[in-house]
Amino acid sequence: EVQLVESGGGLVQPGGSLRLSCAASGFTFSSYEMNWVRQAPGKGLEWVSYISSSGSTIYYADSVKGRFTISRDNAKNSLYLQMNSLRAEDTAVYYCARTVRGSSGFDYWGQGTLVTVSS
Amino acid sequence: QSALTQPASVSGSPGQSITISCTGTSSDVGGYNYVSWYQQHPGKAPKLMIYDVSNRPSGVSNRFSGSKSGNTASLTISGLQAEDEADYYCSSYTSSSVYVFGTGTKVTVL
Repeated sequence: EVQLVESGGGLVQPGGSLRLSCAASGFTFSSYEMNWVRQAPGKGLEWVSYISSSGSTIYYADSVKGRFTISRDNAKNSLYLQMNSLRAEDTAVYYCARTVRGSSGFDYWGQGTLVTVSS
Repeated sequence: QSALTQPASVSGSPGQSITISCTGTSSDVGGYNYVSWYQQHPGKAPKLMIYDVSNRPSGVSNRFSGSKSGNTASLTISGLQAEDEADYYCSSYTSSSVYVFGTGTKVTVL
């Protein structure tokens, strides 16, 4: 069974940093592209970042470019999101999501982890 | 990276068919056959319903179908059921090699 489990969320002050993790199981993690998607309270979905299966190709939404860094460790079946210079508008539930192999949809999602940026 | 445009709400009676539109530009929806649709119930993670415009993942009911014409994609739910009441989001790959989601549509079963 495919499972994605996020962790690392919490309360952080504006300007602070946080590192999210996503533990993957039930599939060959190193063969799949991965993404982070977030959802602010009561709002819609926002794509945040993409990383290729090898980690060699990375993309970011303009709203987080220069502040967030996506990475992965295929040996540990884990995906990460390092978030720096956090702002109030980064408050959201952060989901990791697997890309359909050879395609574009996100077929498996974690349960999400809440990040709250507030003083 | 402007969000794709969806109607805020769509409603229908049980057994009816409804269609949700998703309008973008030639740089996203119109330029690629990489449109997907997600269902999200309150407090839950999104669930993939359609990918690559019209493909259904294994386990998704055939009451859900997708299509595209120009810069507008559509999700049709036929034989509407109470369990279909949820928020629905479209998404598209873009010419900037990033993804963009739609504004979201709340489906109400009357």
